[in-house]
Amino acid sequence: DTGVSQDPRHKITKRGQNVTFRCDPISEHNRLYWYRQTLGQGPEFLTYFQNEAQLEKSRLLSDRFSAERPKGSFSTLEIQRTEQGDSAMYLCASSLARGRGNYGYTFGSGTRLTVV
Amino acid sequence: RKEVEQDPGPFNVPEGATVAFNCTYSNSASQSFFWYRQDCRKEPKLLMSVYSSGNEDGRFTAQLNRASQYISLLIRDSKLSDSATYLCVVNERGGGNKLTFGTGTQLKVEL
Repeated sequence: DTGVSQDPRHKITKRGQNVTFRCDPISEHNRLYWYRQTLGQGPEFLTYFQNEAQLEKSRLLSDRFSAERPKGSFSTLEIQRTEQGDSAMYLCASSLARGRGNYGYTFGSGTRLTVV
Repeated sequence: RKEVEQDPGPFNVPEGATVAFNCTYSNSASQSFFWYRQDCRKEPKLLMSVYSSGNEDGRFTAQLNRASQYISLLIRDSKLSDSATYLCVVNERGGGNKLTFGTGTQLKVEL
């Protein structure tokens, strides 16, 4: 499968626990994005990377959230001290930015987080 | 005010009907426009880009009015398989290609 892969698909955790999600983008893509989607809403942008550099973070990304892309390939999103309001689908996407163009924007299947 | 606004629906239509969805966006700096389709508990997938001149892909027609900051999607001869949520999406100029999504409009096509 050459698409965007996310792991795990589902995660149930107790309030206060830390969780980490992984995203493997399409191999030639240099940009990687994280979004969050809650029930009845569209996805909301959290952060994005170009190669290993994190270039933008949304106000939605509180201090409890941290994202990394250490080698410019896969990325991890960690949520510390989870709260019930963190329950959502976390979507990863990747694309190839070349010149002024941006190509092949593709979403992964998401990680569904439930905080109990 | 939300950056991208859509009527959440649901729109319940009989098979074969024509249905239209509308969307407005608030940021005049928005550069690119799309309609995405999302099936229940799945990831969003690009349905079509939207161009100022209007564009068509089979049964789907998209229109953009930059002056009114308004985007539309028309589905003709709707099929049961068209049942999904349709997300209006904009991309700001210089925004790193992060996408701003509307809440989505739910479509249910019935026999």
